[in-house]
Amino acid sequence: RKEVEQDPGPFNVPEGATVAFNCTYSNSASQSFFWYRQDCRKEPKLLMSVYSSGNEDGRFTAQLNRASQYISLLIRDSKLSDSATYLCVVNMNTGFQKLVFGTGTRLLVSP
Amino acid sequence: DAGITQSPRHKVTETGTPVTLRCHQTENHRYMYWYRQDPGHGLRLIHYSYGVKDTDKGEVSDGYSVSRSKTEDFLLTLESATSSQTSVYFCAIGTGTNQPQHFGDGTRLSIL
Repeated sequence: RKEVEQDPGPFNVPEGATVAFNCTYSNSASQSFFWYRQDCRKEPKLLMSVYSSGNEDGRFTAQLNRASQYISLLIRDSKLSDSATYLCVVNMNTGFQKLVFGTGTRLLVSP
Repeated sequence: DAGITQSPRHKVTETGTPVTLRCHQTENHRYMYWYRQDPGHGLRLIHYSYGVKDTDKGEVSDGYSVSRSKTEDFLLTLESATSSQTSVYFCAIGTGTNQPQHFGDGTRLSIL
């Protein structure tokens, strides 16, 4: 089993739609979780950290489910500019900050 | 954006030649990392540094070495480049455990 797994997509949605991605992780001791966004041929950029209580930043909501070992990202009112690959990132809590990156979920928002 | 500069941004070289990539930060962060990104794989850690002259291996360290003589600079060296090292290389910096990392613009390296 991969340490971090994501559906590669692509998810094709129209502008204004709501879309959700899930990501599962293998290490139940993981302590910190992040969503990054990566545009084509660009560097990954931090979108948001994921807290135990869930957190929201504008149109983006991140949730953590420790019991089932997954995190989710919800995007409301999708914009064309949301088209990108979304990377799920998990700190494996190995005593050193080892971040494990998922391979990403590609989102395409169309007019 | 975090103050991270990678150089060069693009490089094409031949098998067997040595290659050095540079990462320079202006954030005074303790931790620095080198990753490679290839299709079908997530970012994979090559080497990391937790202080000046303190470095350790990541999951794909074979064929790579690193050095950190100053807080702001982290060098990645391919002693004798091979075609399997053709990739996009990202440098990242971080402040510590459980904190996110911030990435440089990347270096596209092609080994012919």
